[in-house]
Amino acid sequence: DADVTQTPRNRITKTGKRIMLECSQTKGHDRMYWYRQDPGLGLRLIYYSFDVKDINKGEISDGYSVSRQAQAKFSLSLESAIPNQTALYFCATSDLRPGTGELFFGEGSRLTVL
Amino acid sequence: KNQVEQSPQSLIILEGKNCTLQCNYTVSPFSNLRWYKQDTGRGPVSLTIMTFSENTKSNGRYTATLDADTKQSSLHITASQLSDSASYICVVRPAGGGNKLTFGTGTQLKVEL
Repeated sequence: DADVTQTPRNRITKTGKRIMLECSQTKGHDRMYWYRQDPGLGLRLIYYSFDVKDINKGEISDGYSVSRQAQAKFSLSLESAIPNQTALYFCATSDLRPGTGELFFGEGSRLTVL
Repeated sequence: KNQVEQSPQSLIILEGKNCTLQCNYTVSPFSNLRWYKQDTGRGPVSLTIMTFSENTKSNGRYTATLDADTKQSSLHITASQLSDSASYICVVRPAGGGNKLTFGTGTQLKVEL
């Protein structure tokens, strides 16, 4: 089983619908992240969380919200999806060791908003 | 604004050949630079990490180099295999920047028979 699991892997929805992408991890890491990947652009940070009571905005948080339900679970919501939120979304984790900061990614959730 | 630029954007090589991917960055001062490999339909996986004091780091057939003076890094792949076909992403972490990573857009490598 994957250490970082994302569901759903693929989703097609319509403009205005509420969507939730879920992420769970078995790595025991405290830090969790949501990134967005678009063709021709680097990965961009949406939100991140350092522990259950900590939520921080990334560079492109508008139109998104998150919930850290437990150390192992971090979900991303689009309250009212729009077509330019069509993208590949990645959840990632990292541990607290200073200076390393390796990210461990899930396999991605491809979202299409019509 | 911190930037990471990678070249070439895409590359096709024959199996068994070597290739070199480039990464230029403006992040300064920086903490470390990582190369990730992203297979199609998968999440990125770390290949190497280099700090500002390191010049070269190897991981099997992958060798990363770093020139902190010119702010350039390269990833050299030796004796390429079909399984090397992937996107290679350069990621720079600034010193004291916490989670403010800057990602390159990647080089798409295709290895053909």
